[in-house]
Amino acid sequence: QVQLMQSGAEVKKPGASVKVSCKTSGYTFNTYGISWVRQAPGQGLEWMGWISGYNGKTNYAQKFQGRVTMTTDTSTSTVYLELRSLRSDDTAVYYCARGDSGGGGLGYWGQGTLVTVSS
Amino acid sequence: EIVLTQSPGTLSLSPGERATLSCRASQSVSRIYLAWYQQKPGQAPRLLISGTSSRATDIPDRFSGSGSGTDFTLTISRLEPEDFAVYYCQQYGSSFGGGTKVEIK
Repeated sequence: QVQLMQSGAEVKKPGASVKVSCKTSGYTFNTYGISWVRQAPGQGLEWMGWISGYNGKTNYAQKFQGRVTMTTDTSTSTVYLELRSLRSDDTAVYYCARGDSGGGGLGYWGQGTLVTVSS
Repeated sequence: EIVLTQSPGTLSLSPGERATLSCRASQSVSRIYLAWYQQKPGQAPRLLISGTSSRATDIPDRFSGSGSGTDFTLTISRLEPEDFAVYYCQQYGSSFGGGTKVEIK
């Protein structure tokens, strides 16, 4: 079965960087891309971007361009999200998600990683 | 960038009632790229509908989606206790709407 397992919670100071991992299993890694979505406390969902599992091509939301990098490690079927120059409003749960097998939409989600930015 | 606006922000209904949720796009969205999700507290979102009207695996048929162009709708025909949650629309591969909370009246 498809599984996305994310790394554990992080606490960072303003200005620092964070790298969150998403280890995938249960499918052929290079046949699906992975999206990253975040959710600040009590707020809605915010799409951050997408990375291809086939060739590493990325598409970042304009808001995060220049501050985010998504990468893949095909040897371990793992996707990484790095966010730099952290601010307090980056405090959120970060989710990785994969497209649904039957069509569009994000049908498989990781458990989420809480990133807290605090001095 | 297309902006999705959901209304109402909160819908107060009783079990057994019909829920109608709206998602309006700032410009036309292809039907194949419009999805709906349900999220309960402390959980990751769950895909309900993709391609505007196709139910995802194991989603009961009381959930239905419709629409085209800039106006899309999620309908829950008869609310069950487990349906009280927050619902989001999304242009697949892009932005989410702000969400509609369906709460018990």
